[in-house]
Amino acid sequence: NAGVTQTPKFQVLKTGQSMTLQCAQDMNHEYMSWYRQDPGMGLRLIHYSVGAGITDQGEVPNGYNVSRSTTEDFPLRLLSAAPSQTSVYFCASSYSQRVGTEAFFGQGTRLTVV
Amino acid sequence: GESVGLHLPTLSVQEGDNSIINCAYSNSASDYFIWYKQESGKGPQFIIDIRSNMDKRQGQRVTVLLNKTVKHLSLQIAATQPGDSAVYFCADCSNYKLTFGKGTLLTVNP
Repeated sequence: NAGVTQTPKFQVLKTGQSMTLQCAQDMNHEYMSWYRQDPGMGLRLIHYSVGAGITDQGEVPNGYNVSRSTTEDFPLRLLSAAPSQTSVYFCASSYSQRVGTEAFFGQGTRLTVV
Repeated sequence: GESVGLHLPTLSVQEGDNSIINCAYSNSASDYFIWYKQESGKGPQFIIDIRSNMDKRQGQRVTVLLNKTVKHLSLQIAATQPGDSAVYFCADCSNYKLTFGKGTLLTVNP
């Protein structure tokens, strides 16, 4: 089982550039989410989805867009990157709406915006 | 606002000792908590969870205690091993969302 796969693992962007962080899971999980992790802080929720075609905002959604056209994929888009978006990004998926026991995290994408 | 926090940012223990990592929460409506372990360069990994109708839950070498009166959680690791070195997060789970604390870095000295 691949689990939750994130690509790329590392990325450097210039301010103003756009990019998409990919997240795919092969466990047929309905719930998927994106977090960012900054030094000395816990993970903060950016966006989440409870199923294909349904997305909602988390704690820190500004500057990010998401879509969920399939159960497997949940890409995160940065439309105009800013240095404040330098962070490590984690995608997670779970079987049910009760996130926790069933939650699986990807290995992370380390993004630097210069 | 509501938050999940940790008392100490770092903890250093000797191999074989027991470790206790603490976490305070402020949302009195929280009813489900999870502890995660995050090794360097990896994503968080589920360790153990507990619901608010429980005071204690045990896993393999780990125990979580919940004190709802003072809104406090603790994670106890028995016979700590070098492989336990990581950052440990408590998280509050409600309405599809995990709210993480800032983490405690556990270092195990041989």
